[in-house]
Amino acid sequence: DTAVSQTPKYLVTQMGNDKSIKCEQNLGHDTMYWYKQDSKKFLKIMFSYNNKELIINETVPNRFSPKSPDKAHLNLHINSLELGDSAVYFCASSQQSRRTTNYEQYFGPGTRLTVT
Amino acid sequence: AQSVTQPDIHITVSEGASLELRCNYSYGATPYLFWYVQSPGQGLQLLLKYFSGDTLVQGIKGFEAEFKRSQSSFNLRKPSVHWSDAAEYFCAVDRGSTLGRLYFGRGTQLTVWP
Repeated sequence: DTAVSQTPKYLVTQMGNDKSIKCEQNLGHDTMYWYKQDSKKFLKIMFSYNNKELIINETVPNRFSPKSPDKAHLNLHINSLELGDSAVYFCASSQQSRRTTNYEQYFGPGTRLTVT
Repeated sequence: AQSVTQPDIHITVSEGASLELRCNYSYGATPYLFWYVQSPGQGLQLLLKYFSGDTLVQGIKGFEAEFKRSQSSFNLRKPSVHWSDAAEYFCAVDRGSTLGRLYFGRGTQLTVWP
């Protein structure tokens, strides 16, 4: 009964390719996120969706396009992959309507993307 | 400018010793504060959080953290470290201005000697 799952766990691809990472949460949360962790372990938010609506869109190249088909899923599609896209991508979810002491973000296991 | 500072990149302690990991933030208002742990090849697990109220918060795995408004700090502590605590620790801040945006520190790598 995994709370936040991501597929694939590892992704190795060549420059110029297009790839997708999928994320699913079974917690009934209304908000989902994508974070990028670089080689120095720094974590930075990329996108956030609340009830399928984009609410956070950081300064990310438009080669990255999130898509939320429903509240439980948030996928990340990356076009024309570049070497600098190599990183670990984490999906997370939370329940914004419970933005009290019960609030927290639950993270998936991560997807390690390697672009060669 | 860096909003969340973890000044120690790497800390080494002996098993059984006490531990304190430092975290400072640079926002004016009191944000929501979190500590996460990341084991090698794993996702992030929440250790504890502070929203309001008692400034000393207890978390999982025997960790605690103290919020000090005057120092804009939220340091993580554990009285006796176990070898299984070796991991990367991240302090994170939610300023409350945008839904759920977490700002992370650079992380502190903890090594535990037997």
